[in-house]
Amino acid sequence: DQQVKQNSPSLSVQEGRISILNCDYTNSMFDYFLWYKKYPAEGPTFLISISSIKDKNEDGRFTVFLNKSAKHLSLHIVPSQPGDSAVYFCAAETPAGKSTFGDGTTLTVKP
Amino acid sequence: GAVVSQHPSWVICKSGTSVKIECRSLDFQATTMFWYRQFPKQSLMLMATSNEGSKATYEQGVEKDKFLINHASLTLSTLTVTSAHPEDSSFYICSARDSTGGNYGYTFGSGTRLTVV
Repeated sequence: DQQVKQNSPSLSVQEGRISILNCDYTNSMFDYFLWYKKYPAEGPTFLISISSIKDKNEDGRFTVFLNKSAKHLSLHIVPSQPGDSAVYFCAAETPAGKSTFGDGTTLTVKP
Repeated sequence: GAVVSQHPSWVICKSGTSVKIECRSLDFQATTMFWYRQFPKQSLMLMATSNEGSKATYEQGVEKDKFLINHASLTLSTLTVTSAHPEDSSFYICSARDSTGGNYGYTFGSGTRLTVV
């Protein structure tokens, strides 16, 4: 049973447009959600997070939205840049601090 | 910001030998570190939680006798893959959180690419 799902394995957008990456979860015990960016052969880099008590968190070009009733979160990147091309993982965390990752979405931003 | 150093970045070993991977928090103390494994085109799978001064907690399906974890200090955790076999070839990553720094995300090491031949 996969508790965190990223249903789109890949996404391609044009530079300057908005990138929207989606993530769904099933465990209502998750209380913290994070997005990571990962380049090949490197460890993930923390991008942005959101607590379950909020529905939106913004940091520069990155905004994460959380819909608790739908158990859905999304990451918006606007405007998208070629350097944003990477694999994006969403992760959901229990109060004990254990993270479960989605399978990742490969974002390609075309110049 | 918080930095986690992981070594080696890649290693090739013969089947049947053991390999040790180190994970160090460079500028913060981490009572807990996590070890993940990633197969190609798949997600990060949590293998175990490393606790300073006590036994590691392993996820279901992970052989604790094969993947030995030692967390001897607040800045160092090691993962030893014992009697490695080709199916152990994978990308191993550790992570830790600096709870004092205000960074709510985990900091990951750069990963270790293990190839068993």
